[in-house]
Amino acid sequence: ETGVTQTPRHLVMGMTNKKSLKCEQHLGHNAMYWYKQSAKKPLELMFVYNFKEQTENNSVPSRFSPECPNSSHLFLHLHTLQPEDSALYLCASSQDSRGLGYTFGSGTRLTVV
Amino acid sequence: QKEVEQNSGPLSVPEGAIASLNCTYSDRGSQSFFWYRQYSGKSPELIMSIYSNGDKEDGRFTAQLNKASQYVSLLIRDSQPSDSATYLCAVNIGMGAQKLVFGQGTRLTINP
Repeated sequence: ETGVTQTPRHLVMGMTNKKSLKCEQHLGHNAMYWYKQSAKKPLELMFVYNFKEQTENNSVPSRFSPECPNSSHLFLHLHTLQPEDSALYLCASSQDSRGLGYTFGSGTRLTVV
Repeated sequence: QKEVEQNSGPLSVPEGAIASLNCTYSDRGSQSFFWYRQYSGKSPELIMSIYSNGDKEDGRFTAQLNKASQYVSLLIRDSQPSDSATYLCAVNIGMGAQKLVFGQGTRLTINP
């Protein structure tokens, strides 16, 4: 496996469910990110982790809970979501000392019913 | 609020012509700038980065940066139908970890 891998690719969940999104990077990067992409809106930064420490929480509702056990893995735990949370959730990683931008994973398409 | 503005398009360009995509940003302290290409249903893919004023060329792509005017552009020469995608401008506003703020993207269609 190379690059940034996200699972699952698609997820349908009810508003009372609990689910988790997983992201794994094989690039040796030190920073990982969660972004939300909704139709006709710019990508919204949700969380930033640098050397597995959270450095940014962009006023994200508590029904989204991130976890970063090490620099290669990032999770987004979901519970009691709303239909407006339906979106493409993108994980990215970067090597900050090089300032070369992000590498994105393929994303998880989330539908809340 | 640190913002990145792009014309959402759609921008329609004939095959073989030059496509010109523009972006303005509000944070004067930003030092690194990126263009991503996103095909429908796919994730963004980095195609160009630029850090200094002036032009940077990579194949058919040229990025242009003017920090005084807070303006970034992307030129695509000899446009191909495979260039049809949404192009996202991103500006790094982070001081420690990179923190990219994205524009809403410009949808580009290359007509054969």
